[in-house]
Amino acid sequence: SQTIHQWPATLVQPVGSPLSLECTVEGTSNPNLYWYRQAAGRGLQLLFYSVGIGQISSEVPQNLSASRPQDRQFILSSKKLLLSDSGFYLCAWSVRATGELFFGEGSRLTVL
Amino acid sequence: ILNVEQSPQSLHVQEGDSTNFTCSFPSSNFYALHWYRWETAKSPEALFVMTLNGDEKKKGRISATLNTKEGYSYLYIKGSQPEDSATYLCALIQGAQKLVFGQGTRLTINP
Repeated sequence: SQTIHQWPATLVQPVGSPLSLECTVEGTSNPNLYWYRQAAGRGLQLLFYSVGIGQISSEVPQNLSASRPQDRQFILSSKKLLLSDSGFYLCAWSVRATGELFFGEGSRLTVL
Repeated sequence: ILNVEQSPQSLHVQEGDSTNFTCSFPSSNFYALHWYRWETAKSPEALFVMTLNGDEKKKGRISATLNTKEGYSYLYIKGSQPEDSATYLCALIQGAQKLVFGQGTRLTINP
């Protein structure tokens, strides 16, 4: 069966520090991968999605970036965090036939 | 930019009562609509994937309908139970299997 894991679960970072969130999927190959963010009081905002290794589509201009170095690995990064980067980040993969998303456990980021 | 609207934003329902809420979306270039349930301290989980106009899907006490011509979907919960308390999200596929989510309806069931 397929599983998805992301880490770390929580982190508190100072403004201007770097960020790396990692997500891995097991039990499937060549999945579509996604990073979503829920900011306080808001819905799920699509940040990045990837349909294959090295293929990244960015949805919202910001100081975040994403990379897919391996088929089932998706990384969200920042060189310098802003206060507005605080939020709950979710990684997900989708079944290509239906587009149904399966989410990781989430990472709560607080930037101080 | 695809605009997916959900209403109401929040809802309080007495245990045992039935309820419903709405997802509205542009009716042009429709591909598929998803409903997800997001419980506190958990990750969102898919309830329904709907693709055809007139689709009606059911899972236990929860059901959903789809009208692609007028651009809306309804989610119904019959005989609400405390475990139904969650945020319900609808999402529309916009090309390349990219899902755009609405803001969600936060449902609280009062015992």
